[in-house]
Amino acid sequence: KQEVTQIPAALSVPEGENLVLNCSFTDSAIYNLQWFRQDPGKGLTSLLLIQSSQREQTSGRLNASLDKSSGRSTLYIAASQPGDSATYLCAVNDQGGSEKLVFGKGTKLTVNP
Amino acid sequence: DAGITQSPRHKVTETGTPVTLRCHQTENHRYMYWYRQDPGHGLRLIHYSYGVKDTDKGEVSDGYSVSRSKTEDFLLTLESATSSQTSVYFCASSGEVNTGELFFGEGSRLTVL
Repeated sequence: KQEVTQIPAALSVPEGENLVLNCSFTDSAIYNLQWFRQDPGKGLTSLLLIQSSQREQTSGRLNASLDKSSGRSTLYIAASQPGDSATYLCAVNDQGGSEKLVFGKGTKLTVNP
Repeated sequence: DAGITQSPRHKVTETGTPVTLRCHQTENHRYMYWYRQDPGHGLRLIHYSYGVKDTDKGEVSDGYSVSRSKTEDFLLTLESATSSQTSVYFCASSGEVNTGELFFGEGSRLTVL
């Protein structure tokens, strides 16, 4: 059974710092991996989607990498801002189909001014 | 962002009453999903749909039913609400089952007294 783990559960950094969020999964047979952002009381916003054949995806200050063989993905946030404060979740699309999308429990990021 | 709206956004009801949550999407996505999000459990799949009138159970389907009579609408019904169904419910949709990006609604907060 696929399991997705995000460590740490919470992270607090000063504004301007570059940071890395981690996501690990137990079964490398995946279609893709998706990173989401969730603000308090809101839904999930898709940030980046990496297909299994890709190594990384970039959007603005965000860069997500995927290493299927080691079961790991990282989300790199450059020059963090207080507006980046949110919970970041990763989800693995297991090869059983989208109904088999497995979510991590998220990392709560706080960027202090 | 995909146009996904959920209604109602907040509801308080009593144990034993039926409750229906509605999800409406304007992206003509074939695949739709209902999740619940609870502290300590993360996001868990309740039911999903892969087309009009085609639905299947997810991880935590007991006590829930769904219907999809049109591409754009996916209804989640709690036949007889219980306190354990107090949660935040999220609808999501995707255009592709294996490679597609998942888009979420804003959530419906349900409290069962």
